[in-house]
Amino acid sequence: EDKVVQSPLSLVVHEGDTVTLNCSYEVTNFRSLLWYKQEKKAPTFLFMLTSSGIEKKSGRLSSILDKKELFSILNITATQTGDSAVYLCAVERDYGQNFVFGPGTRLSVLP
Amino acid sequence: EPEVTQTPSHQVTQMGQEVILRCVPISNHLYFYWYRQILGQKVEFLVSFYNNEISEKSEIFDDQFSVERPDGSNFTLKIRSTKLEDSAMYFCASSEDLPDSNQPQHFGDGTRLSIL
Repeated sequence: EDKVVQSPLSLVVHEGDTVTLNCSYEVTNFRSLLWYKQEKKAPTFLFMLTSSGIEKKSGRLSSILDKKELFSILNITATQTGDSAVYLCAVERDYGQNFVFGPGTRLSVLP
Repeated sequence: EPEVTQTPSHQVTQMGQEVILRCVPISNHLYFYWYRQILGQKVEFLVSFYNNEISEKSEIFDDQFSVERPDGSNFTLKIRSTKLEDSAMYFCASSEDLPDSNQPQHFGDGTRLSIL
């Protein structure tokens, strides 16, 4: 059965800390891995990763994929209270863009 | 920036009633999706839709569910006879039909469905 596992499930840090969120997967016909940030409502897109070893960056956020070891990490440096959210990892499989979501990591950044 | 819009934001319905959740995908997108998220649980795929037909559906998407694109802009999810366990947040998403350019799915804000 295809699955996506995220760790930790919950994380509490203080502003300025750096965090690393983990996502590992076992899916058939892997196509891409995506990271989303979910606050109160819709997940908002952060990164899409398809190739191993190529880091994607957006401001204080960065992510990288290892297709051999079947995992990805999402790094957030110099965290801010606005980074508090659930971070979802989703793996796209096949051509039909069927996603399997992980359970999410709930990040709380304290002032 | 174009966005996916969903209506209503919250729907309260008696068990056994039919509900229709509405979505307006981003205008140039051709793939459409429905997901649900039961409170406190993970986001689950329901169905994907392309070229006016279902391209894939999950085990959750049983005969009680149907999807339709009645016109050029709306994409709807219908639940024929709602059950208590259908209570969840339902997300619509859309993406461009560009398989080689790796376009992500964009989500709407969701409809919170509460079954009484």
